[in-house]
Amino acid sequence: DTAVSQTPKYLVTQMGNDKSIKCEQNLGHDTMYWYKQDSKKFLKIMFSYNNKELIINETVPNRFSPKSPDKAHLNLHINSLELGDSAVYFCASSQVDFSGQGYTIYFGEGSWLTVV
Amino acid sequence: KNEVEQSPQNLTAQEGEFITINCSYSVGISALHWLQQHPGGGIVSLFMLSSGKKKHGRLIATINIQEKHSSLHITASHPRDSAVYICAVRSDFGNEKLTFGTGTRLTIIP
Repeated sequence: DTAVSQTPKYLVTQMGNDKSIKCEQNLGHDTMYWYKQDSKKFLKIMFSYNNKELIINETVPNRFSPKSPDKAHLNLHINSLELGDSAVYFCASSQVDFSGQGYTIYFGEGSWLTVV
Repeated sequence: KNEVEQSPQNLTAQEGEFITINCSYSVGISALHWLQQHPGGGIVSLFMLSSGKKKHGRLIATINIQEKHSSLHITASHPRDSAVYICAVRSDFGNEKLTFGTGTRLTIIP
């Protein structure tokens, strides 16, 4: 059973389209994330949700809108896609270690988005 | 300058060599992660450190909080260790934000 699953894995679409990437985790974690990995392989956080509440929003254009219907799901909707949105998008989930030592984090396999 | 710097950016070594990848950071942290990304793209968390040293199989990770530095070591390296290794730090501001290094691409030649 995949702990963090995201779909689709590959997505090729034209500029101006609207698309969604879905993410589900079966780990019972409270916190989920979306990360973007650019062409230089640099990872950067986009959003973080804790129990369906947005806690991190890192200067991402308004065209990107996360939706968390429940704490096991965090979907990413992108409006009016631009060439620069081409990247790999990773979903992740984490759970706080209540001993205060940090947390464990699990990543999805990534969704390769190509805007043409 | 990135808040998290890794060195080297690229490393090629012969099978069996001892590998060291370094990570330096400039912000206060509550924890540091070492991640592995294989050519297929998936990312796996190898270690989470807040102090001292951890060992898992042939992998060893150390952190020096005072010097703001961590190292990842691989003993008896193998071609299957070829991957990008990414250092990521968790801020000490109480949120869940990870800041990532630029990664070290490791290639182990048989």
